[in-house]
Amino acid sequence: SQQGEEDPQALSIQEGENATMNCSYKTSINNLQWYRQNSGRGLVHLILIRSNEREKHSGRLRVTLDTSKKSSSLLITASRAADTASYFCVYSGAGSYQLTFGKGTKLSVIP
Amino acid sequence: SAVISQKPSRDICQRGTSLTIQCQVDSQVTMMFWYRQQPGQSLTLIATANQGSEATYESGFVIDKFPISRPNLTFSTLTVSNMSPEDSSIYLCSVGRMKTSTDTQYFGPGTRLTVL
Repeated sequence: SQQGEEDPQALSIQEGENATMNCSYKTSINNLQWYRQNSGRGLVHLILIRSNEREKHSGRLRVTLDTSKKSSSLLITASRAADTASYFCVYSGAGSYQLTFGKGTKLSVIP
Repeated sequence: SAVISQKPSRDICQRGTSLTIQCQVDSQVTMMFWYRQQPGQSLTLIATANQGSEATYESGFVIDKFPISRPNLTFSTLTVSNMSPEDSSIYLCSVGRMKTSTDTQYFGPGTRLTVL
């Protein structure tokens, strides 16, 4: 399977703390994206980083990409209870539009 | 981005029956996809819904079990046929232009299916 791996599988933090989630993948990629899913509902696109980028910011989100290590990280700063959700690392292989989903990290932010 | 709706949002069905899930987009889109998310698991691509032709299925998924229609650029249906409890999952449609390396997919809210 080419599925990505997220680490940790579950993370529990206090409101205001930072949350870091990591992702590893196995193939060459076009880009890597992070999605959020609340309580088994639809997925919300958070951020996309291209294979030639190393870091990207969007609000409280910071994503890094290391193609030599085939890994990415998502940092959520100053977490809020509303950030409680599952976060998926998703990538498309070089030359493909098909998305491959990681197993997800379940984040719980305690008020 | 696109606004995507799915019907039904959830259903409880009996073994051996079939359920058709609808996906409606508020604008014309190039690509539409159907995913399955089994309980506590990640998403797995079932098929790409092609407008005016047969869907392209991923390994492990067949047309007889998951027939798909896409009559136009804003609408698609997925049927889960002859259901068994193993089909209990969330089914999600997604759409995207998918023409450049920065094109992403947008997901519908999902249909939560329980098969008894």
